[in-house]
Amino acid sequence: EAQVTQNPRYLITVTGKKLTVTCSQNMNHEYMSWYRQDPGLGLRQIYYSMNVEVTDKGDVPEGYKVSRKEKRNFPLILESPSPNQTSLYFCASSRVGGSYEQYFGPGTRLTVT
Amino acid sequence: EDQVTQSPEALRLQEGESSSLNCSYTVSGLRGLFWYRQDPGKGPEFLFTLYSAGEEKEKERLKATLTKKESFLHITAPKPEDSATYLCAVQGEYGNKLVFGAGTILRVKS
Repeated sequence: EAQVTQNPRYLITVTGKKLTVTCSQNMNHEYMSWYRQDPGLGLRQIYYSMNVEVTDKGDVPEGYKVSRKEKRNFPLILESPSPNQTSLYFCASSRVGGSYEQYFGPGTRLTVT
Repeated sequence: EDQVTQSPEALRLQEGESSSLNCSYTVSGLRGLFWYRQDPGKGPEFLFTLYSAGEEKEKERLKATLTKKESFLHITAPKPEDSATYLCAVQGEYGNKLVFGAGTILRVKS
């Protein structure tokens, strides 16, 4: 089954404790992206990657890091989480070169206290 | 800067009561306009892609249309299971970036 998976699905942590949210896709997509979703603000792009070892900032990259060492994986790293990073996070993937729909993961709900 | 505005923010319908959701957009060189459905606690689920003004696509009770400035998602004779948040997004001429609207929360009561 074609899918995007994320782990963990739920995470409660404290300010400053480094964490990683994993994302993996099995569709051989070149493009992967991270979004955060907050009430009234919609989905906002954090970082994206056009292919292995190619990453770039989205609209809200502050406080986040990413890496793309393998085509299927695109982890999101919060080096020193803060309460304003409490949000619902989605990973997505798609093909590149045209206008292709993005496939989304199930989401990770992060709470930083 | 690409922008997407969706209206209304929330819509309550009776079962069978048809209506439309609006998505207004500004984008430099539209490559695609996307509609997604999102159920509570889940990731967005792809519905439609529209590429050029005048294009229409249908799926069950949903029909999406596109003009040069806006898109409509028409819902005909909705059922309670159509209740969800409907998201609109645009992709401009550069890269794969999607810009999303805030969504319309649809509630259909039986």
